[in-house]
Amino acid sequence: EAQVTQNPRYLITVTGKKLTVTCSQNMNHEYMSWYRQDPGLGLRQIYYSMNVEVTDKGDVPEGYKVSRKEKRNFPLILESPSPNQTSLYFCASSFSTGSQPQHFGDGTRLSIL
Amino acid sequence: EDKVVQSPLSLVVHEGDTVTLNCSYEVTNFRSLLWYKQEKKAPTFLFMLTSSGIEKKSGRLSSILDKKEPFSILNITATQTGDSAIYLCAVATQGGSEKLVFGKGTKLTVNP
Repeated sequence: EAQVTQNPRYLITVTGKKLTVTCSQNMNHEYMSWYRQDPGLGLRQIYYSMNVEVTDKGDVPEGYKVSRKEKRNFPLILESPSPNQTSLYFCASSFSTGSQPQHFGDGTRLSIL
Repeated sequence: EDKVVQSPLSLVVHEGDTVTLNCSYEVTNFRSLLWYKQEKKAPTFLFMLTSSGIEKKSGRLSSILDKKEPFSILNITATQTGDSAIYLCAVATQGGSEKLVFGKGTKLTVNP
């Protein structure tokens, strides 16, 4: 079954404790992206990747890092999380660019205390 | 700065009504416009529009793009309670930046 898998689905942690949210897709997609969704602000793109070793900033990249060492994986790293990064995070992938329909993961709800 | 504006932000209708959701945008290098439906969890794809004036249709849902204005509308006829969701409009850019910019969404509630 074609899917985008995020882990963990829920996480409560404390300020400053490094965390990684993993994202994996099994569709051989080239384009992968991370979004955060906040009430009243909608979905905002954090980072995207056009292919292995190619990443670029979205609209809200501050405080986040990503890497794309393999085509299927695109982890999101919060080196020093802060409370303003409390949000619902989605990973998504599409065949070649963001202009094509994206398959979304089920989301990761992060709470930073 | 690229932006996508959806209206209304919230809409409550009765089953059987027809609704029109609006999406206008300002982006530097337009590539395509996409509509997604978000119920409890992840957004799911509805339509992708790249050319003006060509209607895309799927059952009771249809959408059209006007690149001159520029805006898009999503129509839902004979609404059902299962249409209750947040509808998201996104615009994809090109030319050195392959970003996807989302609007804030329209929350549609269909009452029986």
